[in-house]
Amino acid sequence: GQQVMQIPQYQHVQEGEDFTTYCNSSTTLSNIQWYKQRPGGHPVFLIQLVKSGEVKKQKRLTFQFGEAKKNSSLHITATQTTDVGTYFCAGFGTQGGSEKLVFGKGTKLTVNP
Amino acid sequence: EAQVTQNPRYLITVTGKKLTVTCSQNMNHEYMSWYRQDPGLGLRQIYYSMNVEVTDKGDVPEGYKVSRKEKRNFPLILESPSPNQTSLYFCASSLSGLVGFYEQYFGPGTRLTVT
Repeated sequence: GQQVMQIPQYQHVQEGEDFTTYCNSSTTLSNIQWYKQRPGGHPVFLIQLVKSGEVKKQKRLTFQFGEAKKNSSLHITATQTTDVGTYFCAGFGTQGGSEKLVFGKGTKLTVNP
Repeated sequence: EAQVTQNPRYLITVTGKKLTVTCSQNMNHEYMSWYRQDPGLGLRQIYYSMNVEVTDKGDVPEGYKVSRKEKRNFPLILESPSPNQTSLYFCASSLSGLVGFYEQYFGPGTRLTVT
């Protein structure tokens, strides 16, 4: 079945360093969503990518969708303590004849001030 | 304010004692879903509902039941809870059953402990 692998599982950075998390799907995706969960909070939608090769930016965050629509990345430039949390990707694709949204296991980011 | 609410937020119970976690959304969303979150396992879908009276199993449905009698409510029922159902539970809703094309709004979570 469709699987979405996310790496790394954990990432610790010094404030000001960059951070990247990667998402890889075993199947071609229709689109991919990214969510952020602050410590003790609930997942909050960040963005959705639909087109092959799409790149979107939100301030210091850059999201990419691969040309083959099987991988995606989230890059944060110059991390701040407010970036702390777990980042999840969620890939939407066809599995067993039905469409499913499958979450990656997340990358937990900690930032040392 | 557009939101998804869950109750209770925290619950400690004993094995075998039936419980219900309520979920309600005020956004007139068609799609609703339940997830459980466990360390190292991410978010796993338990059940989902594309619309009123339409429910289907997710990836980990064993030991859970749901119902969707009204559009706004989607309760999660544990008929006979067991310790392996100790987890953090999230309810989520989305505008349409085309869930992958619309963002999901998550509730605040319910932390359940079964002893």
